[in-house]
Amino acid sequence: DAGVTQSPTHLIKTRGQQVTLRCSPKSGHDTVSWYQQALGQGPQFIFQYYEEEERQRGNFPDRFSGHQFPNYSSELNVNALLLGDSALYLCASSWGDRLMNTEAFFGQGTRLTVV
Amino acid sequence: GEDVEQSLFLSVREGDSSVINCTYTDSSSTYLYWYKQEPGAGLQLLTYIFSNMDMKQDQRLTVLLNKKDKHLSLRIADTQTGDSAIYFCAETENTGGFKTIFGAGTRLFVKA
Repeated sequence: DAGVTQSPTHLIKTRGQQVTLRCSPKSGHDTVSWYQQALGQGPQFIFQYYEEEERQRGNFPDRFSGHQFPNYSSELNVNALLLGDSALYLCASSWGDRLMNTEAFFGQGTRLTVV
Repeated sequence: GEDVEQSLFLSVREGDSSVINCTYTDSSSTYLYWYKQEPGAGLQLLTYIFSNMDMKQDQRLTVLLNKKDKHLSLRIADTQTGDSAIYFCAETENTGGFKTIFGAGTRLFVKA
């Protein structure tokens, strides 16, 4: 079992560009959550996908959007990149319609640098 | 709004106990967690506690919850150099949502 896999591991983009990050959940998991972790900070919740729909969203602008596919994998898209979007983007997967995420597993993250 | 606060640094000697503290503001929190993050790695769930519990012990880890003061602590017994990492306190709100709120993390240094 590969666990949660994210791609790419590192990415450099220019201000104003668009980026797509990808996440494959752990086998058996159907829920994907995305977090942004700026340097020296804790992860900030972006949104969560379940059954191909966005279930809940954190305080992030509409430039941040996502998608979940029938195979439960997910993409995070960020448009009109700003320097402040530079961060480690973490994906977490879990199972089912649960209130808690005690079974959540995190990927290694994608390090996005905006220049 | 929700907020989770932690001290930023803790330094201990190998073999001593480490105690990492956290305070949270959301009284509706249902689950509280401790995660570990090593350099260049994702987050590893260490342990969690239900909000109706006071204490949970798991091998070298002891979690204490004071719900009245909204204070959570993680004690690591016999701290080893391999325990050096950033430790995050987190809570999941109980408002029908699934959002987990993280603190900024406590960097633990273990001196040999």
